[in-house]
Amino acid sequence: DVKVTQSSRYLVKRTGEKVFLECVQDMDHENMFWYRQDPGLGLRLIYFSYDVKMKEKGDIPEGYSVSREKKERFSLILESASTNQTSMYLCASGRSNYGYTFGSGTRLTVV
Amino acid sequence: DQQVKQNSPSLSVQEGRISILNCDYTNSMFDYFLWYKKYPAEGPTFLISISSIKDKNEDGRFTVFLNKSAKHLSLHIVPSQPGDSAVYFCAASARTGTASKLTFGTGTRLQVTL
Repeated sequence: DVKVTQSSRYLVKRTGEKVFLECVQDMDHENMFWYRQDPGLGLRLIYFSYDVKMKEKGDIPEGYSVSREKKERFSLILESASTNQTSMYLCASGRSNYGYTFGSGTRLTVV
Repeated sequence: DQQVKQNSPSLSVQEGRISILNCDYTNSMFDYFLWYKKYPAEGPTFLISISSIKDKNEDGRFTVFLNKSAKHLSLHIVPSQPGDSAVYFCAASARTGTASKLTFGTGTRLQVTL
């Protein structure tokens, strides 16, 4: 089974901090994604990557950046955390065009 | 602009009965549709999918129906079980040059009661 591992289940950070969320997959997938889940809004795509060092903006990239230096690792960076970035962050990866495997999520609270 | 819509935020069904979850989409470029199930504090897990060349796909108790002309799909769960209680997300995919990304609906919370 494909495994997508997110480094932290819960994080509490202060406003203005730089925050790193890490995601690692073990199946050599080209495509990796970062989503955030908020009540009533579903899952919204922040950024995705289709290859090492390649990235594309999703629907809500403002306030975020990403890094993909190795194929198995995709990092989401909050340059200066704000309270409206309090959310559940979900990483996903996949090889084919369709259907991806998600990690367990990181619940980030910015105070 | 919500391209994938799930208009029912919640649904309650008795154990043993049929659960029908609905999803509408607006983008005619979508060519693959998926349903994910999500329990609290866990990531979504893939449930079932359907290609736009089909109108039905079945996997055990789960069946997905696609009506392309109406831009509508539905997930049927028969019979419903208490363990099916979760949030269900509809998702759609369209190739966008470099990669296919999934666009999700807002989710429907299914509660299966005893």
